Amino acid sequence: DAGITQSPRYKITETGRQVTLMCHQTWSHSYMFWYRQDLGHGLRLIYYSAAADITDKGEVPDGYVVSRSKTENFPLTLESATRSQTSVYFCASSAVNEQFFGPGTRLTVL
Amino acid sequence: AQKITQTQPGMFVQEKEAVTLDCTYDTSDPSYGLFWYKQPSSGEMIFLIYQGSYDQQNATEGRYSLNFQKARKSANLVISASQLGDSAMYFCAMREGTGNQFYFGTGTSLTVIP
Repeated sequence: DAGITQSPRYKITETGRQVTLMCHQTWSHSYMFWYRQDLGHGLRLIYYSAAADITDKGEVPDGYVVSRSKTENFPLTLESATRSQTSVYFCASSAVNEQFFGPGTRLTVL
Repeated sequence: AQKITQTQPGMFVQEKEAVTLDCTYDTSDPSYGLFWYKQPSSGEMIFLIYQGSYDQQNATEGRYSLNFQKARKSANLVISASQLGDSAMYFCAMREGTGNQFYFGTGTSLTVIP
């Protein structure tokens, strides 16, 4: 199916563990994004990527790592999860006048 | 300073009435894009409408229209003939210039009353 998918949809982990959230898009959009959504903050950009092997920091990058070896995939890794990283994470890809979102991953860090 | 400001945390509207959701933005870049998204209780983000800074006409998409007032730096979303299914969070966002950072407001929760 065309579109943008995220996995897992729900994840519970413990403080200090490494977690990777996956994002896959089928449109071949050059730009991809990772956001976190927290109550009272709206969506905040973590990282974005302009193309394969090109990534850049957004507003809240600390504690996160991204990679983009293929255009269609943009994984987000929490190297050592903290409770403050409990959030809903959205991946998105962008055409010129639109930005399409994945369904989100709800991450809980205990 | 906030790039996007949505001053209405919550709004109520009677079914079949029109409602305006406010959004103001802050940028010194002459080229930018403004977006509105709907987020129902199920959590997905749904793109609604786009307005480019150089667009002469206000954008419209079905029952959604964007009231773009460039001098006031406002980009209000107007929903006509509200339906119960319009109950959701609504987010305004901006993309500056050729950059690819999107800035989001904190959202407005809309409740449509039967």
